[in-house]
Amino acid sequence: KAGVTQTPRYLIKTRGQQVTLSCSPISGHRSVSWYQQTPGQGLQFLFEYFSETQRNKGNFPGRFSGRQFSNSRSEMNVSTLELGDSALYLCASGQGKETQYFGPGTRLLVL
Amino acid sequence: GEDVEQSLFLSVREGDSSVINCTYTDSSSTYLYWYKQEPGAGLQLLTYIFSNMDMKQDQRLTVLLNKKDKHLSLRIADTQTGDSAIYFCAESRSGNTGKLIFGQGTTLQVKP
Repeated sequence: KAGVTQTPRYLIKTRGQQVTLSCSPISGHRSVSWYQQTPGQGLQFLFEYFSETQRNKGNFPGRFSGRQFSNSRSEMNVSTLELGDSALYLCASGQGKETQYFGPGTRLLVL
Repeated sequence: GEDVEQSLFLSVREGDSSVINCTYTDSSSTYLYWYKQEPGAGLQLLTYIFSNMDMKQDQRLTVLLNKKDKHLSLRIADTQTGDSAIYFCAESRSGNTGKLIFGQGTTLQVKP
């Protein structure tokens, strides 16, 4: 089976812009979670989608949003980008409670 | 709180065993995980253990869980230079679907 794929892999944006990141889960997986990884804060949970519904949400401002499509692919959007949004954004897909498999990440740089 | 704590750095010689430790605070943890991250890459799931287990072995990897002390360890036998990476422990909690709480990661340096 193909692993979790994320596009794009690298992105450069300027402050105030918005960005959309995409994640395709492993075939058959219905849960997709998003995480932000920064040197200062480490790995932090953004949100989880299951069957097109947000099932869980972390402590991020409303500028961070997401959605999931009927084929389980997910997108996350960050509006009004700030310098502090520069990070590696990771998505993970899961089939049950036990395991989450991560993609390679999208590295976002905000200038 | 949400704390998962790990030591930041470990250095070992090739061929030795490595032991990476992790402590967590929440007794409702259901699964505990070990992930590996190499430079510029995502997280690779190494192994996981259900909270009612004490030990799990998978080839060179041994996970020990002391639920009373909320302590988790990962032992890598016969450590190789290719094992150099950052290792994260993570927990999931009952009722908190899809959310993993990560430690800050332990950098493992393997010297030839």
